[in-house]
Amino acid sequence: GAVVSQHPSRVICKSGTSVKIECRSLDFQATTMFWYRQFPKKSLMLMATSNEGSKATYEQGVEKDKFLINHASLTLSTLTVTSAHPEDSSFYICSARAGLAGPQETQYFGPGTRLLVL
Amino acid sequence: QKEVEQDPGPLSVPEGAIVSLNCTYSNSAFQYFMWYRQYSRKGPELLMYTYSSGNKEDGRFTAQVDKSSKYISLFIRDSQPSDSATYLCAMSPNAGGTSYGKLTFGQGTILTVHP
Repeated sequence: GAVVSQHPSRVICKSGTSVKIECRSLDFQATTMFWYRQFPKKSLMLMATSNEGSKATYEQGVEKDKFLINHASLTLSTLTVTSAHPEDSSFYICSARAGLAGPQETQYFGPGTRLLVL
Repeated sequence: QKEVEQDPGPLSVPEGAIVSLNCTYSNSAFQYFMWYRQYSRKGPELLMYTYSSGNKEDGRFTAQVDKSSKYISLFIRDSQPSDSATYLCAMSPNAGGTSYGKLTFGQGTILTVHP
């Protein structure tokens, strides 16, 4: 149980284009999903907290107009990197909090999406 | 000073060894403590979850939390080459408030178990 999927797993795009990444909780409902960014050999940096049916809460220094988050249902959140540039190249990981399905504070992570902007 | 400190290693041990991984933290509000394992180019996988102080055992893994010292540990017994990965500690404060559910991660320790 507690499986989180991400799609796509890898994407290469040209500078200036927008990329959408999907995060799905497959066997539980997630009222809250989180989006992280991870650089090589570095820890996870929380970008934003996504609550179903409301606006996302962004961490300090994260541009909300650059990283658009939509949490349309209890099983799906999307992250759109708008007008991507090479410095946006990174490993993006989502997580979903299990809520009533497990310990309240437990987050289950997706497999990540590797973005390369040329 | 970072909220969570974790030695990045790398740590290399022979197969069968006991591995000790540790994190220290400064925020006394942390109540929930987790250990995640992350293989290369994959998302983190939850290994252990502990609330407040104490020990928790699951198979070859034992998690310890000492809130008085602000120190947590993960022990791996009879380590296997398949345990080779990056181990991340993570913490969260009490439920409620704007910090609810937000995890603060350590840097991660790279572990290699060689045959």
